[in-house]
Amino acid sequence: ETGVTQSPTHLIKTRGQQVTLRCSSQSGHNTVSWYQQALGQGPQFIFQYYREEENGRGNFPPRFSGLQFPNYSSELNVNALELDDSALYLCASSLLGGGRNTDTQYFGPGTRLTVL
Amino acid sequence: AQTVTQSQPEMSVQEAETVTLSCTYDTSESDYYLFWYKQPPSRQMILVIRQEAYKQQNATENRFSVNFQKAAKSFSLKISDSQLGDAAMYFCAILNPQGAQKLVFGQGTRLTINP
Repeated sequence: ETGVTQSPTHLIKTRGQQVTLRCSSQSGHNTVSWYQQALGQGPQFIFQYYREEENGRGNFPPRFSGLQFPNYSSELNVNALELDDSALYLCASSLLGGGRNTDTQYFGPGTRLTVL
Repeated sequence: AQTVTQSQPEMSVQEAETVTLSCTYDTSESDYYLFWYKQPPSRQMILVIRQEAYKQQNATENRFSVNFQKAAKSFSLKISDSQLGDAAMYFCAILNPQGAQKLVFGQGTRLTINP
């Protein structure tokens, strides 16, 4: 069983640029959630994609957008980068609609984004 | 809105001893799940244990067990026979299975294991 993978591992961008982060879900999962984790903080929910549709969004501006593909992998796009966007970005995959005990979220290793 | 509070920013324990990490939460939902995740320096968030609110029995996973007090909205994690590999940030989280299934995390507790 393949776990959740994310790319790239690290990324350095400058303010105003755009970035795309990628996530491959665990085999058999149909849902991907994205979280932002600032240094020393707990992760904050950005949004979730279920079967290629957005299934909920946290308190993040529209310049944070996402996609989910037919194979359930996902992208997080951030436009007009700001210094405060520097963080660890985590994706998690799960299986919705499979009954209880199937919707636990399993996390990837994260992408560390630094905005200069 | 759901909130999670971890009141212990840091904890330390001697190897082979037992330690308990505290977590309180607030929710207006009757159906929810509670989790403990571990985040070692490698950054990957690893599931430690899961508890469903409708289950009265406390969850256990090997050396890890929880004390779930629903009326008090408390969900503590007990680690028995602590090992050096247990050193990490530990996050308590809550999830409402209805609607957007987002995890709401606490601020974390950094656990140090002393040899």
